[in-house]
Amino acid sequence: GAGVSQSPSNKVTEKGKDVELRCDPISGHTALYWYRQSLGQGLEFLIYFQGNSAPDKSGLPSDRFSAERTGGSVSTLTIQRTQQEDSAVYLCASSLAWGVSNQPQHFGDGTRLSIL
Amino acid sequence: AQTVTQSQPEMSVQEAETVTLSCTYDTSESDYYLFWYKQPPSRQMILVIRQEAYKQQNATENRFSVNFQKAAKSFSLKISDSQLGDAAMYFCAYRNPSGGGADGLTFGKGTHLIIQP
Repeated sequence: GAGVSQSPSNKVTEKGKDVELRCDPISGHTALYWYRQSLGQGLEFLIYFQGNSAPDKSGLPSDRFSAERTGGSVSTLTIQRTQQEDSAVYLCASSLAWGVSNQPQHFGDGTRLSIL
Repeated sequence: AQTVTQSQPEMSVQEAETVTLSCTYDTSESDYYLFWYKQPPSRQMILVIRQEAYKQQNATENRFSVNFQKAAKSFSLKISDSQLGDAAMYFCAYRNPSGGGADGLTFGKGTHLIIQP
C-alpha cells in the first residue's frame, strides 16, 4: 500500500490477556517507530527500529512490552498480561533511513487498544 | 531531556481568518528539527510543516507558515485563510539529530483547533 498500515484498527480485550499489534511500513522505509497516545500521557515514543535492529528499548513502558521486526519490514508490538493502563492508541510511523533525523515520519492510523 | 510545550489546549477561528498556534521547547542542542503535525478524528498524524534549526528562513507550505525564533525557543504555526478541513488536533514536535533516529520525536500535548463556519 501507499501508506503505513496498522492492524487491527481497534482491539478490545480482557485484562491479563496478551495482544499483538502489527505495523506494515511504507515500502522502502527502513526506519520504523512505535508511539503510544493516551489521554494522560499524550504522545510517548516507545521504540525505534533501523532495519531489524532496535538499538534502545528503554522507552518501552515495562517488561510486558516487546517489539520485533523481521525482514526489515513488518513490525509487531506485543503486550503481555495487559493492564487497564495499557489502554491507548498505538501509532506506528516509518521514514527513509538516509539522514534519519531530518526525514519526516509518516504515520499509520493507529490501533485503539481497550482493556476491560 | 527535551520538552515541548503547547500552552493552548483549544483554539477557535472563523473560516477564512488567520490563526496562530503557539509552541515552545526546551533543549541544550544547537541543531535540531521541529515539526507540526495535524491529527484529524481519523487518528492519522499528517505532517504539516518542518523546520531545520540551522535555517534562519521560516518554512512555508501554502497556507501554513511558521515563526521560528531560535533564541526564544519558539516555533509557532500560522494558518492563513482557515478552512473547515483544517479542524484537527495540532501537535508540535522536536527531534534531536544526534540520536541518529533512536530517540524519536518529542511531542507537545496538542492544540485542538476549531473552525467556525
